[in-house]
Amino acid sequence: NAGVTQTPKFQVLKTGQSMTLQCAQDMNHEYMSWYRQDPGMGLRLIHYSVGAGITDQGEVPNGYNVSRSTTEDFPLRLLSAAPSQTSVYFCASGQGFYEQYFGPGTRLTVT
Amino acid sequence: KNQVEQSPQSLIILEGKNCTLQCNYTVSPFSNLRWYKQDTGRGPVSLTIMTFSENTKSNGRYTATLDADTKQSSLHITASQLSDSASYICVVSDLPNNAGNMLTFGGGTRLMVKP
Repeated sequence: NAGVTQTPKFQVLKTGQSMTLQCAQDMNHEYMSWYRQDPGMGLRLIHYSVGAGITDQGEVPNGYNVSRSTTEDFPLRLLSAAPSQTSVYFCASGQGFYEQYFGPGTRLTVT
Repeated sequence: KNQVEQSPQSLIILEGKNCTLQCNYTVSPFSNLRWYKQDTGRGPVSLTIMTFSENTKSNGRYTATLDADTKQSSLHITASQLSDSASYICVVSDLPNNAGNMLTFGGGTRLMVKP
């Protein structure tokens, strides 16, 4: 049981490039979410999903897309990277939002 | 706007000492409050979850208290160890088991335990 896995662990992008952050969980959780964590700030919700085929926006969705074709996977796509998207990204999953399990994070730098 | 404020922002203590971290929130209505521990370079890990009716909950050397009337919570760490060095995050939810943007995260307290 690997829990929540994220790839890559580190990534450097140039402004305007696109990429996908991968997130997978093997706990059969319905709820999955993406957060970003910036220095001195709390985690902020980007997008979330309550089940396969269902996604919704969080607090800071601009510049990001998500899809949920399977229960296990919840990729986050950066459409056109900007320096303001430099952050640490965490994926989380849970049976509900009562208990969330976080992945190890992806540290993204946009130059 | 819902807010969660944590204090202090950072704290240094000697190994073996106790410490208390504070969390004040303005989230309404209130459903539950969680404390997470986040080691450097890792994702947050849940320590405790408390609902409205609970005013204290322990997890080993960690004890969380909740005063829903004053909207305050504290996390007390007893006999600190070097492995307690981490950030501690307070998270408040305004609806039970709800999805989406119903969680408000505090900015965290960074604790350093020195030998």
